Amino acid sequence: DVKVTQSSRYLVKRTGEKVFLECVQDMDHENMFWYRQDPGLGLRLIYFSYDVKMKEKGDIPEGYSVSREKKERFSLILESASTNQTSMYLCASSLSGGAIQPQHFGDGTRLSIL
Amino acid sequence: GNSVTQMEGPVTLSEEAFLTINCTYTATGYPSLFWYVQYPGEGLQLLLKATKADDKGSNKGFEATYRKETTSFHLEKGSVQVSDSAVYFCALRAGGGNKLTFGTGTQLKVEL
Repeated sequence: DVKVTQSSRYLVKRTGEKVFLECVQDMDHENMFWYRQDPGLGLRLIYFSYDVKMKEKGDIPEGYSVSREKKERFSLILESASTNQTSMYLCASSLSGGAIQPQHFGDGTRLSIL
Repeated sequence: GNSVTQMEGPVTLSEEAFLTINCTYTATGYPSLFWYVQYPGEGLQLLLKATKADDKGSNKGFEATYRKETTSFHLEKGSVQVSDSAVYFCALRAGGGNKLTFGTGTQLKVEL
């Protein structure tokens, strides 16, 4: 089974801090994604990566950056955390290829910015 | 742009009742369509998918048919169980790449 592991289930940080959310997948997937999930808004894509050192902006990249130095790891960075970034963050990965490849999700990190 | 509209929840049903969760979409071209499920405290899991018009996706007693003429992909189950209580997300993938556009999710509560 594919395993997508997010480093923390719950995280509390302060406004202005630099925050790192880590995600690791164990199935050699090319694609990795970061979403945030908010009530009434569903999942919104922040950034994704289709290869090492490659990244593309999603729908709501403002205030975030990402890093993919190794294929299995995709980090989300909040450069200067703000209270409106309090949310549930979900990481996902998938294979590339012509066939429809499902995205596999981690269990999420619930981040609170005080 | 692409968008997915789901019925608002929560939907509350008694065990063994029939379930329908409506999903309609707007997309360019011919999207692939998905239903994901999120159980409490967990991430999302793929429930079923359909890649072209008139395809029927099915899994765990759930079904959804890709209706191009009505741009819909409604989720159905004939007899729900308490263990089906979760949040259900409709999603589409259009064009190249593997980006998904999600609906807002519909919470299902099944009671004894």
